[in-house]
Amino acid sequence: DAGITQSPRYKITETGRQVTLMCHQTWSHSYMFWYRQDLGHGLRLIYYSAAADITDKGEVPDGYVVSRSKTENFPLTLESATRSQTSVYFCASSDWATNEQFFGPGTRLTVL
Amino acid sequence: AQSVAQPEDQVNVAEGNPLTVKCTYSVSGNPYLFWYVQYPNRGLQFLLKYITGDNLVKGSYGFEAEFNKSQTSFHLKKPSALVSDSALYFCAVRDSGTYKYIFGTGTRLKVLA
Repeated sequence: DAGITQSPRYKITETGRQVTLMCHQTWSHSYMFWYRQDLGHGLRLIYYSAAADITDKGEVPDGYVVSRSKTENFPLTLESATRSQTSVYFCASSDWATNEQFFGPGTRLTVL
Repeated sequence: AQSVAQPEDQVNVAEGNPLTVKCTYSVSGNPYLFWYVQYPNRGLQFLLKYITGDNLVKGSYGFEAEFNKSQTSFHLKKPSALVSDSALYFCAVRDSGTYKYIFGTGTRLKVLA
């Protein structure tokens, strides 16, 4: 299917566990982004990537790791999950020409 | 540093009336400005953008926004609100020198029948 997908859609984990959220896009967009959405904070950028093997920190990168070995995939890993990382996570992609971001459906993560 | 402010957590408007959702921004270079909409349990959808050119930009679903450089604002407007416009609206800015987007905290729009 064309578009941008995220998996899993829902995840419950425990403090200290490693969790990986997946993001896949079919448009071959250069840019990909990870955001978290929290009440009162809106969307905050965690990491972004300009191309395969090029990533950079956003506003709130601590506790997160990203990689981008292929253009279409941009996984986000929480190395040791904490309760403060309970949030809804959105992946997005964009091409440099239009500047419009296309968002995935989100992953709701709960850390107990 | 880039920043975006959406001063209203919620805006209520009667169906058929004009609506305005406010946004002000701060960037060091030239601003790229965006509005996105989020319906319940969905990702964000692009509405419109200002990159350069006319200060009044038109977007999806009859929405428009006016770029005002002197007031550093980019308010979202619609001449006649619909109940189906009820959603969460986000303003975002990108400095032309980076690819980092900064989003506002969002404004919930409620259109009352």
